Amino acid sequence: DIQMTQSPSSLSASVGDRVTITCRASQSITRYLNWYQQKPGKAPKLLIYAASSLQSGVPSRFSGSGSGTDFTLTISSLQPEDFATYYCQQSYSTPHTFGGGTKVDIK
Amino acid sequence: EVQLVESGGGLVQPGGSLRLSCAASGFTFSTFWMTWVRQAPGKGLEWVANIKQDGSEKFYVNSVRGRFTISRDNAKKSLYLQMNSLRAEDTAVYYCAREDIVVVPSAKRLSYWGQGTLVTVSS
Repeated sequence: DIQMTQSPSSLSASVGDRVTITCRASQSITRYLNWYQQKPGKAPKLLIYAASSLQSGVPSRFSGSGSGTDFTLTISSLQPEDFATYYCQQSYSTPHTFGGGTKVDIK
Repeated sequence: EVQLVESGGGLVQPGGSLRLSCAASGFTFSTFWMTWVRQAPGKGLEWVANIKQDGSEKFYVNSVRGRFTISRDNAKKSLYLQMNSLRAEDTAVYYCAREDIVVVPSAKRLSYWGQGTLVTVSS
């Protein structure tokens, strides 16, 4: 199975900050990488697919990059509604494993 | 509007069984792969299983293979997860999700999720 490692596991940031979360795959997954946002008590929401494609309706302050084994999710200017936990997921081969998550909270 | 509504969760003893259901509406159910994802209390997301449109292909995470069975009834627009030999570590919220396959760029994404149903395995 492909292992997905996210870092950091948590971070504290302020409104307006630029935030970067990284995700590393244990083998190449080309660009089969998705990013999700989850708020407490809610289902995850798709933000980015194919490493860098923005899901419809997602604000443009979210962006993704990377290919192969190393990927990044960037929030260009953190907004109050962005405080949440973020997960990467590979869909290159089953099982479509998730990263451990990155919790973004208020500094 | 796409809707996925899970049901069937509850409290079950270790070694017991439970069947989860997911009712789909707002899209042509028979044309999409479907997926189960779970989340233990306070933990991260774990992909559990998925199933092809016609049910001919099914894939599982190692930890549930041989104990869980994913199935679907396209006429009823429903997805199922039969869970047998349940263990304490199966305690989680179980989500069903629709898997979208994108050609350009190549992608498989979980675009729609249900609200989840809680399964608690405890004596």
